[in-house]
Amino acid sequence: NAGVTQTPKFQVLKTGQSMTLQCAQDMNHNSMYWYRQDPGMGLRLIYYSASEGTTDKGEVPNGYNVSRLNKREFSLRLESAAPSQTSVYFCAILGVGGAQETQYFGPGTRLLVL
Amino acid sequence: GQSLEQPSEVTAVEGAIVQINCTYQTSGFYGLSWYQQHDGGAPTFLSYNALDGLEETGRFSSFLSRSDSYGYLLLQELQMKDSASYFCAVRVPMDSNYQLIWGAGTKLIIKP
Repeated sequence: NAGVTQTPKFQVLKTGQSMTLQCAQDMNHNSMYWYRQDPGMGLRLIYYSASEGTTDKGEVPNGYNVSRLNKREFSLRLESAAPSQTSVYFCAILGVGGAQETQYFGPGTRLLVL
Repeated sequence: GQSLEQPSEVTAVEGAIVQINCTYQTSGFYGLSWYQQHDGGAPTFLSYNALDGLEETGRFSSFLSRSDSYGYLLLQELQMKDSASYFCAVRVPMDSNYQLIWGAGTKLIIKP
C-alpha cells in the first residue's frame, strides 16, 4: 500500500448523512480510481480520473460524487448515505512505464451506514 | 454483460500445488490480471497476462488462453502465508481508457 493513503480507516454513518473519503498518492501518477468491495465479492469501479482535472463514471456511480483536487488527491463524496452503501472503499492508482498493467491500492475505508 | 467466474473456495495442503481457474466473458480484452488479498487488507498485484501462455514469477505462475477465454493461477510449494483470497481481473477498454472487471474471488484455505 506504499504511496497511497486513505482517510478515514473506519466510519459509521446514519442514513442520510454525508461524508467525504479522502485519497492521496505520493507517486506522481496520473490515473486514480475509486472502488467498492462488498462481502464475498470482487471490486466494482465507482469513478476514475485519468488525469488532473478529469473524472469519469465507472460501473456503479449512483449516489457518489468525486473531485480530483490536484494530481495527488482524489476524493469520494456520499451526499446522502444509504445502507446499500455499506462497503469497503478502496482508492487505487495505475502504475506507469513497465507497470502500466498494475494497480496499487490504498488500505481501504470501512464504511457502515445504519 | 461482462462476467468472470472463479471458484469461491479452494482447499489445499501446505507444500502442495494448487490451481485457481478463471473464465471470462467481456466486451473487449487487453489482458488478465491476478491479485492477492489477505483478510482485512488491500489487493496486491501478482501477475498480468496479455498474450497466450505461461508467465512464471517465483512460486506463482499464471496462464492465459485467449481463444478459450480462460486463465489460471498456479501456486506451488504452498505456505501458510498464501492463505488469502485471489481475484482474477480482466482489463477491458472504457472510453479512451480502460477498466478492470473483477471476479468475485477465490478463498484459498491451506491446511498444515
